[in-house]
Amino acid sequence: SAVISQKPSRDICQRGTSLTIQCQVDSQVTMMFWYRQQPGQSLTLIATANQGSEATYESGFVIDKFPISRPNLTFSTLTVSNMSPEDSSIYLCSVIGTGDAYTFGSGTRLTVV
Amino acid sequence: EDQVTQSPEALRLQEGESSSLNCSYTVSGLRGLFWYRQDPGKGPEFLFTLYSAGEEKEKERLKATLTKKESFLHITAPKPEDSATYLCAVRASGGSYIPTFGRGTSLIVHP
Repeated sequence: SAVISQKPSRDICQRGTSLTIQCQVDSQVTMMFWYRQQPGQSLTLIATANQGSEATYESGFVIDKFPISRPNLTFSTLTVSNMSPEDSSIYLCSVIGTGDAYTFGSGTRLTVV
Repeated sequence: EDQVTQSPEALRLQEGESSSLNCSYTVSGLRGLFWYRQDPGKGPEFLFTLYSAGEEKEKERLKATLTKKESFLHITAPKPEDSATYLCAVRASGGSYIPTFGRGTSLIVHP
């Protein structure tokens, strides 16, 4: 199955700043998914990123706050913009691997102070 | 709307004390049910995919089973290294690629 390298693994950021999270996959994939996981909560899908088209955002998430790039079939970035303490979460990227199983990156633990 | 409910929210076991985690689901046609293990601050690690009622899969001390309404993750003689959060997710048939996740069961195994 696919292997995803995600970075940074963690960061502490000042409110009002932005952080860009990167995910590199070791094989070409059509779709990449970005999730947020707040403490004690389930995974919430932010958006689906397809190469060559605009990302599709879920209800409650907007492009101005979470711009996504997908320049090729192995790479994607998610930016968390104008951060506030409420953005403190684990952010995860994911792809569909073999046998319908979803593979996840190692996660980015973001703390906004 | 697809729903996944996991119970209990938290479970504490003594080493060697077997138990089961429950995942109840409602979905408009099941394409697959997934179990993941997640360690603190890390991404979920894939364990099993189950496709149809009656299916079972095993990996070391873990065994996953599936009925039409729920799935169980049985942990036999757990060890402290089995401590983690276990997530269940379902994907509906019909073309959607988006799985629905439960909130997870936090398992702590004491030595």
